[in-house]
Amino acid sequence: EAGVVQSPRYKIIEKKQPVAFWCNPISGHNTLYWYLQNLGQGPELLIRYENEEAVDDSQLPKDRFSAERLKGVDSTLKIQPAELGDSAVYLCASSPAAVGRTEAFFGQGTRLTVV
Amino acid sequence: GIQVEQSPPDLILQEGANSTLRCNFSDSVNNLQWFHQNPWGQLINLFYIPSGTKQNGRLSATTVATERYSLLYISSSQTTDSGVYFCAVASYGGATNKLIFGTGTLLAVQP
Repeated sequence: EAGVVQSPRYKIIEKKQPVAFWCNPISGHNTLYWYLQNLGQGPELLIRYENEEAVDDSQLPKDRFSAERLKGVDSTLKIQPAELGDSAVYLCASSPAAVGRTEAFFGQGTRLTVV
Repeated sequence: GIQVEQSPPDLILQEGANSTLRCNFSDSVNNLQWFHQNPWGQLINLFYIPSGTKQNGRLSATTVATERYSLLYISSSQTTDSGVYFCAVASYGGATNKLIFGTGTLLAVQP
């Protein structure tokens, strides 16, 4: 069974440019998460989807970040415009149901460098 | 919100040694997971262990939910065990229906 797939693995962009990340969750997993991991820290939630509905986006900086999960499967996370401080690893995860009841699995992440 | 503390923050071992990593959390939880983040950044699931004890090869974990802590045991460590170990917890329902991570334990196993 395929795990959570993310692309690209690495991205280098200049500041003020847009960037997008893509995530394909494990088949049948209704819940999808985007996490941000800064160097030397644990991941922190940006947004959580239950099917196609964003049920927790309180930590998503909405002035420059946006996300969507069309048809309740794949998801994209976009930053526009990118800032130097956005350099980090962006992780996607999925779980069969709410993570308070089930195990979550993570993709390999996208390492973003903004120069 | 729930606070998660891991100890020790750093650990250096000689190959073959045993170690114990600890995770303390500040409130009751429904989910606790241990992850190993390898040098390429991938978070590998080690254990899903809201309570009780589990073993997988050289690794085992115990969660005592009533006392709000979990332990990860690594026996006969190998260089491939190097990386960061994260504990993450979640509670079902409300604002905490998400994995909250600790700051991790950085493990280096020397040959």
